[in-house]
Amino acid sequence: GAGVSQSPRYKVAKRGQDVALRCDPISGHVSLFWYQQALGQGPEFLTYFQNEAQLDKSGLPSDRFFAERPEGSVSTLKIQRTQQEDSAVYLCASSLRPVRLNTEAFFGQGTRLTVV
Amino acid sequence: AQSVTQLGSHVSVSEGALVLLRCNYSSSVPPYLFWYVQYPNQGLQLLLKYTTGATLVKGINGFEAEFKKSETSFHLTKPSAHMSDAAEYFCAVSESGNQFYFGTGTSLTVIP
Repeated sequence: GAGVSQSPRYKVAKRGQDVALRCDPISGHVSLFWYQQALGQGPEFLTYFQNEAQLDKSGLPSDRFFAERPEGSVSTLKIQRTQQEDSAVYLCASSLRPVRLNTEAFFGQGTRLTVV
Repeated sequence: AQSVTQLGSHVSVSEGALVLLRCNYSSSVPPYLFWYVQYPNQGLQLLLKYTTGATLVKGINGFEAEFKKSETSFHLTKPSAHMSDAAEYFCAVSESGNQFYFGTGTSLTVIP
């Protein structure tokens, strides 16, 4: 597609419910990032994939958070047993190559998760 | 460790006035530096970036930023503000290129 697509755009979950957030990166992009943006804050890194390999998951806040990219394209961020502090906008970004090789990361519009 | 500090969570300027958004960073190695803009209910859009070479970087929509290593700064400027510049602006730093560290953002208001 023309850009990074995320679905759903909005998700309301009851506390304790599991959720799955989807990211469709730009076709052919090697790198994929997930970020969490709390209200009034900057995005915070969650995890990074290069193709299907999850090279960095140091930002995942707990073992309730899990991300996968099994075929090196679409990625899913799963949050188990959601809690109120998980409420945030979850941003996905992709880049053609690792950003240090002078390419830019393109961000999706995000999924706004509200846990009630 | 990498971090970014954006001074001023809210900045207001008159239409036609100079825009100056401040960003200071910390990094243990020469960093890659970025400015992103976020419009309401939109994703982040890259304004400009510094990787290597010329320290004055020009971006889209008339914005530019200067990398000053001695001051560990990467301030964003625009000579003349337009109403359409009203948005949230984020400075980001990356050492590896595989992880960005963002500041808390600066909300720019343009007064007609």
